[in-house]
Amino acid sequence: GNSVTQMEGPVTLSEEAFLTINCTYTATGYPSLFWYVQYPGEGLQLLLKATKADDKGSNKGFEATYRKETTSFHLEKGSVQVSDSAVYFCALSYSGAGSYQLTFGKGTKLSVIP
Amino acid sequence: DSGVTQTPKHLITATGQRVTLRCSPRSGDLSVYWYQQSLDQGLQFLIQYYNGEERAKGNILERFSAQQFPDLHSELNLSSLELGDSALYFCASSRETYNEQFFGPGTRLTVL
Repeated sequence: GNSVTQMEGPVTLSEEAFLTINCTYTATGYPSLFWYVQYPGEGLQLLLKATKADDKGSNKGFEATYRKETTSFHLEKGSVQVSDSAVYFCALSYSGAGSYQLTFGKGTKLSVIP
Repeated sequence: DSGVTQTPKHLITATGQRVTLRCSPRSGDLSVYWYQQSLDQGLQFLIQYYNGEERAKGNILERFSAQQFPDLHSELNLSSLELGDSALYFCASSRETYNEQFFGPGTRLTVL
């Protein structure tokens, strides 16, 4: 079946540090890949997505590239801010029988300190 | 604000009881998904409805059921509740099945 593996947290960084959160996936066919962010006490928000190999998703300074050869979709940001503190989920969706339900990784909690 | 609403925000109940969680999708969205977020299992897909019909089932227990009504709102019914059912339950909606899913704020269920 489909699965997503992302690096365990928590991750603590100083403001303006470089962020990488690793994500790899296992899927049949060619899934779409997503990063969602969950701020404390809130629901999930889509951060970025990529729907085919070599696509780069980007939003709010975050980037991730769909690498089919390494089945990876690592999240990066060049300079994190305190406001980026949240839990980040890597996810995939794949059309099986007409449904695009999301399969999530376990989440990585990021804390950014001033 | 995603446009997806969920009620109630918090629910505290006892083992053996039955509860109903409600989700109103974004205006015009036909597809509704339910997910469970727990410390043990992480975020798991439960069930999907599309325009009133069940479209896909995930790791949903037999004690749980859902439906989507003609006005497209959805309800998730949880019965014979156990301590392990304590979790955050999210609803998400999308225009069609292949579009981006927008998540509601969730319902936090605590079973005592």
